[in-house]
Amino acid sequence: DAKTTQPNSMESNEEEPVHLPCNHSTISGTDYIHWYRQLPSQGPEYVIHGLTSNVNNRMASLAIAEDRKSSTLILHRATLRDAAVYYCILRDQNTDKLIFGTGTRLQVFP
Amino acid sequence: KAGVTQTPRYLIKTRGQQVTLSCSPISGHRSVSWYQQTPGQGLQFLFEYFSETQRNKGNFPGRFSGRQFSNSRSEMNVSTLELGDSALYLCASSLARGHLNTEAFFGQGTRLTVV
Repeated sequence: DAKTTQPNSMESNEEEPVHLPCNHSTISGTDYIHWYRQLPSQGPEYVIHGLTSNVNNRMASLAIAEDRKSSTLILHRATLRDAAVYYCILRDQNTDKLIFGTGTRLQVFP
Repeated sequence: KAGVTQTPRYLIKTRGQQVTLSCSPISGHRSVSWYQQTPGQGLQFLFEYFSETQRNKGNFPGRFSGRQFSNSRSEMNVSTLELGDSALYLCASSLARGHLNTEAFFGQGTRLTVV
């Protein structure tokens, strides 16, 4: 299974943009890049996913490097409710198996 | 619509016992996966079921087993419980499988404590 590498923790102030990086140098051509987040005492929650092109949705944007060996999750204006552990995951398009790494713990300060 | 429902929410068992956890996916979802979350190992994949068949299995001993019923509900069983099995067990459901799948919806989990 391909692995991802993320910083252990990051900090942000409220209403500022946050860029959460992820390295996945062993990504294969059939791997989708997924991001999930886990708020305290809850199960993980889907944020966004992509294959090759940058993606936007109501929660965030996903910027994927041209060689696909790295990606960045962008929260355009962090809120206190965005404080969570963010997981960058590679999912083979032929399975539903999500291989979670250690994730990035995001702290948001008022 | 109702989310993924896991029962029970909390469970305390004694070493050597067995336990069965239940997961009801979102209506219409046919794919169910199970994960174990511990402070030391993080989130680890256990199994994946689709159309009552196990499609993938993680690196867990044979004491961990599961099944899926025709209504897509799933159960996982752990026999001969060990202290290290204490964890949050999470179930996730998806509408489709593989390249047709977009996102997984997780339940709130079952917190198992083995004493």
